[in-house]
Amino acid sequence: KAGVTQTPRYLIKTRGQQVTLSCSPISGHRSVSWYQQTPGQGLQFLFEYFSETQRNKGNFPGRFSGRQFSNSRSEMNVSTLELGDSALYLCASSLESYRANTIYFGEGSWLTVV
Amino acid sequence: GNSVTQMEGPVTLSEEAFLTINCTYTATGYPSLFWYVQYPGEGLQLLLKATKADDKGSNKGFEATYRKETTSFHLEKGSVQVSDSAVYFCALSPQGAQKLVFGQGTRLTINP
Repeated sequence: KAGVTQTPRYLIKTRGQQVTLSCSPISGHRSVSWYQQTPGQGLQFLFEYFSETQRNKGNFPGRFSGRQFSNSRSEMNVSTLELGDSALYLCASSLESYRANTIYFGEGSWLTVV
Repeated sequence: GNSVTQMEGPVTLSEEAFLTINCTYTATGYPSLFWYVQYPGEGLQLLLKATKADDKGSNKGFEATYRKETTSFHLEKGSVQVSDSAVYFCALSPQGAQKLVFGQGTRLTINP
């Protein structure tokens, strides 16, 4: 069974641009969440979607947004990119939106803002 | 609020040594606890989990016990291998929320 798939794996953007990252969850998984990983801040939760609805949101500015489609696939968007947005963005999926469900991660999208 | 504190790294051990990585947490209610591992250039892989007090999670020779009285979830392995070199993250999932709160990670290097 395929794991969590993220595209693109690597990208370079210029400050002020916007970026969209895509995530396909494991087949049958309905909860998708996003995390940002940086050397300074570590792993931080961005948001979680379940059945196309945002269920939880982390402490990030409104420039970070996401959505989930009816097939559970998800996208996250970052507008007006800043240098500090350079990070590994990880998508994760789980069967249901329930704390005991195991959360599986993709390999991530490496974003560099120059 | 919810938070996780891991022992500072990096940790360097010789092959076949005993490993302990300390993890303590602060949370309201009854969180689930996890250890994830990240190999170079890869995403996070679940190593083990425990969903209630006194549960023991185990996988690939690693173990951790959910200790509510000490709010801890220390990771142990009796005999480490070079292939265990990676960054290890302790995490909790708060009661009622499908999200993970991570510790800062501990980089482990095993020398042959």
